[in-house]
Amino acid sequence: QMQLQESGPGLVKPSETLSLRCSVSGESIITGDYFWSWLRQYPGRGLEWIGYIYSSGTSYTNPSLTNRLSILVDTSANQFSLRLKSVTVADTAVYYCARVNIYYGDAFDLWGPGTMVFVST
Amino acid sequence: QSVLTQPPSVSAAPGQTVSISCSGVNSNSETDFDVHWYQQHPGKAPRLVIYDDNIRPSWVPDRISASTSGTSASLVISGLQPEDEAVYFCQSYDSHVGNKVFGGGTKLTVL
Repeated sequence: QMQLQESGPGLVKPSETLSLRCSVSGESIITGDYFWSWLRQYPGRGLEWIGYIYSSGTSYTNPSLTNRLSILVDTSANQFSLRLKSVTVADTAVYYCARVNIYYGDAFDLWGPGTMVFVST
Repeated sequence: QSVLTQPPSVSAAPGQTVSISCSGVNSNSETDFDVHWYQQHPGKAPRLVIYDDNIRPSWVPDRISASTSGTSASLVISGLQPEDEAVYFCQSYDSHVGNKVFGGGTKLTVL
């Protein structure tokens, strides 16, 4: 049974780069059935899609974040990652990695538990 | 501000039926994009409960159903149970901005 697990620093300083990793276990990330996605949830409840990547390396990102965002995949390690540059306090959120299932209309059908990231001095 | 609009909260007693609305679906498109619904308990990640407008994944009881009509979607939970108390989010795609979008979430309280 596939599981996802986020990892990364809980605290990042303003203007620095946030790097998070999502480890996929239970099944290979190299499957044609899924995309691999990042989302975040602000303290007030709102959810925001950040972007997703296919195992080939093709990625799609939220237009509002594209100029600061990189999403990469490491198939040898069965992981994918997020790099968000020049963070501000507005990037404080719980960050989730999730699986996008193409047979479920591209819904997010499996989520990691999430990791809280604070942007603060 | 969410592109999709949901009521902040709804409540009902155990055993009753509740409906949660989501408006603004496909409002910027001539193409009908799928609506998905997620359930989130406190401190937990969201969990998919409906995909493709009205299809339940295998792990979701048939007390949960959904539908779409025009630019609105609805999630219906019948025979309410205490474990249904959670926040529910709708999600779709906004072709105008090229982005997957979520509603602001509705807190369901089982009285």
